[in-house]
Amino acid sequence: KQEVTQIPAALSVPEGENLVLNCSFTDSAIYNLQWFRQDPGKGLTSLLLIQSSQREQTSGRLNASLDKSSGRSTLYIAASQPGDSATYLCAVMSGYSTLTFGKGTMLLVSP
Amino acid sequence: GAVVSQHPSWVICKSGTSVKIECRSLDFQATTMFWYRQFPKQSLMLMATSNEGSKATYEQGVEKDKFLINHASLTLSTLTVTSAHPEDSSFYICSAMTPSGFRGGDTQYFGPGTRLTVL
Repeated sequence: KQEVTQIPAALSVPEGENLVLNCSFTDSAIYNLQWFRQDPGKGLTSLLLIQSSQREQTSGRLNASLDKSSGRSTLYIAASQPGDSATYLCAVMSGYSTLTFGKGTMLLVSP
Repeated sequence: GAVVSQHPSWVICKSGTSVKIECRSLDFQATTMFWYRQFPKQSLMLMATSNEGSKATYEQGVEKDKFLINHASLTLSTLTVTSAHPEDSSFYICSAMTPSGFRGGDTQYFGPGTRLTVL
């Protein structure tokens, strides 16, 4: 059974810092990995999707990497801003389009 | 594009009543929709997979008689929580998947979620 772990569970940084969120998964037989953002009481916003054949994806200040063989992914956020404060979820797709989510990293960026 | 809506966004009901939550794909047809449940500070847990025109597939530990899922059309799936109890209070999120080959094929697009509180 696929298990996804995210470290750290919570992170507090001052504005402007670069930061890295970590995600690991137990079964490397995945189709893709996706990073989401979730604001309190809200749904999910997809940030980046990395196909299993890819190594990384970039969108603006966000960069996600994938090392499928070791079961790891990182989400790099450059020059963090208070508006980046949210919970970041990592999810892997395996089986027939089944998504398994981690518990998330709660990020607080202070001005 | 690829917008998914949910209705209602929040609902409060008395214990023992039934609640229906709708999930709609607004600008695409979704052959498959998924229902998730999220407890505070916890991950999203898949409850069931719903395919248009067929019975839903429930994950282990999810009572199919309690959580009724209907996927009557390519743009609408409903989740009915029957005889709701306080322990059913949670955040319910649906997602819709586009047919293979369209906009990435196996991408799930998520709704904004429904907060259910059972008194």
